[in-house]
Formats: sequence, structure tokens, C-alpha cells
Amino acid sequence: RKEVEQDPGPFNVPEGATVAFNCTYSNSASQSFFWYRQDCRKEPKLLMSVYSSGNEDGRFTAQLNRASQYISLLIRDSKLSDSATYLCVVRRFDDYKLSFGAGTTVTVRA
Amino acid sequence: EAQVTQNPRYLITVTGKKLTVTCSQNMNHEYMSWYRQDPGLGLRQIYYSMNVEVTDKGDVPEGYKVSRKEKRNFPLILESPSPNQTSLYFCASSGPGNSPLHFGNGTRLTVT
Repeated sequence: RKEVEQDPGPFNVPEGATVAFNCTYSNSASQSFFWYRQDCRKEPKLLMSVYSSGNEDGRFTAQLNRASQYISLLIRDSKLSDSATYLCVVRRFDDYKLSFGAGTTVTVRA
Repeated sequence: EAQVTQNPRYLITVTGKKLTVTCSQNMNHEYMSWYRQDPGLGLRQIYYSMNVEVTDKGDVPEGYKVSRKEKRNFPLILESPSPNQTSLYFCASSGPGNSPLHFGNGTRLTVT
């Protein structure tokens, strides 16, 4: 079983829609959680860190559920520019090893 | 500007010809790592380094070498490249604790 798993999508949504997707992790020693955005063949860029109490950054909301070992990302009022692949990244507490999900592709259409 | 710099951006080479991809960061980060990204496989870690003179294998280290003689530099060395090493490579660094990773802008390597 992979350490971090994501629904690959693609999620194809109209502008203005809300889209949400999850990322599950298998190692309970996981400590830090991040969502990255990656545009085609470019470097991943940090979208937001995920905090225990959940956090928002504009139209983006991230949640962490430690009991069920998953994090989620919700995008409200989708824009065309939100079209990208969203990577879930998990860092372990014990050895700081970082594990990546394979990414969830979101396409926002006009 | 805080950044991770990789060079070259694009590289086409032939089987067996040794090459080095450089990576440098100006954020005084202790942690640095190399990844390759292939379609359908996501990012896979090649090697990482927790500090100067400390390097460890990631998930796919075969065919690669690294060194960490200085804090800012973490070159990736392919002693004898093969076509299955054709990929998109990213270097990244991070600070301590819960700090996120900062990525370089990638090196697209083609081995013929």
C-alpha cells in the first residue's frame, strides 16, 4: 500500500463550482501536511500547509482528520486558473521523510 | 529572493556519458532532496540530505549519486546514464520541523 494516496481525478468542473478531494495517509507518525499545486511539467508550488484545526486561505480550505488519517482540500468558486494538479505531501515525525501523493487533476471549464 | 536553483533546465545526452545536475539554495536550509517525476508515477525521491556530509537513499537511488560538501549545494550525479533515467528531475530544500519544501524549477533530462 502506498504511504499517501489520492484520487487521481480528473475532476472536471464549471467555473464557480465547488470541488473537494481527499488524500489518505497510512503512517500514523505523520506530522506535517501540505497541499501543493503543480502546473503541467512545472515545479510544485506550496498552496497551503494543513493545520490540525483546519485552515482557510481565500477560496481554499484544508482539513485534517487524524482519526481517519486523511486530509482534504476544498476549492470554492472555482476559477479557470485553478486548473492544475494538486499534490498531497506528508512529512513523518520520526525521520522527517516526505511522501507525495500522485496528484489530483482538476480542470475548470468556462 | 529565496530560491532553489537547478541547472541545466534541459539536457539531452547519450547512454553512458557522465553528467551532473546542480542544485543550489540560498535559504540556509539543512534538508535537501532530489526527486524524479514520471507520468503516472508521481514524484519519487532519489536521495536526500539532512545536513552537510549526511546523505541517504530515497525510494529510487539506483544509478544516481549525490554529495553534500556544502550546505547550499546538492548536486545529482549520473555516472553512466541510461534511457530509463529519462525523466523530469526536481531538487528541493526545506527548513526544520514543519517547514514546507521549496522546489527548483526542474531539469528535463533525455538519455538516448
